[in-house]
Amino acid sequence: AQKITQTQPGMFVQEKEAVTLDCTYDTSDQSYGLFWYKQPSSGEMIFLIYQGSYDEQNATEGRYSLNFQKARKSANLVISASQLGDSAMYFCAMRESQGGSEKLVFGKGMKLTVNP
Amino acid sequence: NAGVTQTPKFQVLKTGQSMTLQCAQDMNHEYMSWYRQDPGMGLRLIHYSVGAGITDQGEVPNGYNVSRSTTEDFPLRLLSAAPSQTSVYFCASRRLVRGEQYFGPGTRLTVT
Repeated sequence: AQKITQTQPGMFVQEKEAVTLDCTYDTSDQSYGLFWYKQPSSGEMIFLIYQGSYDEQNATEGRYSLNFQKARKSANLVISASQLGDSAMYFCAMRESQGGSEKLVFGKGMKLTVNP
Repeated sequence: NAGVTQTPKFQVLKTGQSMTLQCAQDMNHEYMSWYRQDPGMGLRLIHYSVGAGITDQGEVPNGYNVSRSTTEDFPLRLLSAAPSQTSVYFCASRRLVRGEQYFGPGTRLTVT
């Protein structure tokens, strides 16, 4: 079964508008972490934001915030005031524990295009 | 701090050849891992290590070997390259507990 689901293959947004990128996850662990990464066309993976399963407040990092709904198992990324440089692939990931070791599992990603 | 470094950036191999992708980090991170990225598949874990002398398999380990003799280095060996191993390979590292994962710049490998 897929651990991380990103159902939107691609999205378009106008510059300066806000956009929400969806991510749902599946785990039976009580302690886990959720991440978002950005991959621009240059190829590098850039860490954006982290949410721990026990964190009571939604994580925020500048224009990025994570809408964490634990009961629904969703961890949507919200980008406020989109910029042209936000055009990239975005990956949601979950850190889970298996057999005493921790692994990071990625979703398949989604492509965001910001239009001027 | 150089962060996570990978060499080479690009590599072309013939089927059956072997090679080693190098990965090093200077952040004293305990955890290091290798991923491959294929179109439409996201990143898939190949092998990982929680410390020097300790390695374990990820989701897609077949055809790859790793070793971790030092905290800094985590090379990935392709034993006998196959066209199915054509991919972009990322090395990553982080602290073992609650650490964000830092990625290297990636190695684009083509096997003909």
